[in-house]
Amino acid sequence: RKEVEQDPGPFNVPEGATVAFNCTYSNSASQSFFWYRQDCRKEPKLLMSVYSSGNEDGRFTAQLNRASQYISLLIRDSKLSDSATYLCVVNRAGGYQKVTFGTGTKLQVIP
Amino acid sequence: DAGVIQSPRHEVTEMGQEVTLRCKPISGHNSLFWYRQTMMRGLELLIYFNNNVPIDDSGMPEDRFSAKMPNASFSTLKIQPSEPRDSAVYFCASSPPGTGYGEQFFGPGTRLTVL
Repeated sequence: RKEVEQDPGPFNVPEGATVAFNCTYSNSASQSFFWYRQDCRKEPKLLMSVYSSGNEDGRFTAQLNRASQYISLLIRDSKLSDSATYLCVVNRAGGYQKVTFGTGTKLQVIP
Repeated sequence: DAGVIQSPRHEVTEMGQEVTLRCKPISGHNSLFWYRQTMMRGLELLIYFNNNVPIDDSGMPEDRFSAKMPNASFSTLKIQPSEPRDSAVYFCASSPPGTGYGEQFFGPGTRLTVL
């Protein structure tokens, strides 16, 4: 089983729709979680951290479910500019920290 | 403020040649990461440094790959000899102290093509 798994998509949604992605992780020792966004032929950029209590940033909401070992990203009122690949990131503490990126979920927002 | 700087942005070379990729992290960041991204395997962590010391190089594919960080403002990733399967986008990222390694700032990448 991969340490971090994401549905690759693509998710094709119309403008204005709400879309949600999940990301599962296998190591229960994982301590911190993040969502990154990567546009085509560009570098990944940090979108938001995922806190235990859940957090919201405008149209974006991130949540963590430790019991089921997954994180989620909800995008409301999708814009054309939201089209990108969304990568989840899991940071595992221990003797040394280890950061693992998921392979990403591709979102295409359609006019 | 300048972000992470990588050079060259594009590199085309022939099989067997030595390739050196360069990275300047954001000033004040104390962790530096090298990644490789391909369509097949996604984003792979090759090696990372903390305070200029290599911490985990388990992702380095083989002995042909080596990385150095001689000081806090410069790192190199070298491939010698290069092979066509090394063709990929190589990203460098840095992370500030106290935030955990998950908050990384990526450079624009070096697109490497080995013929």
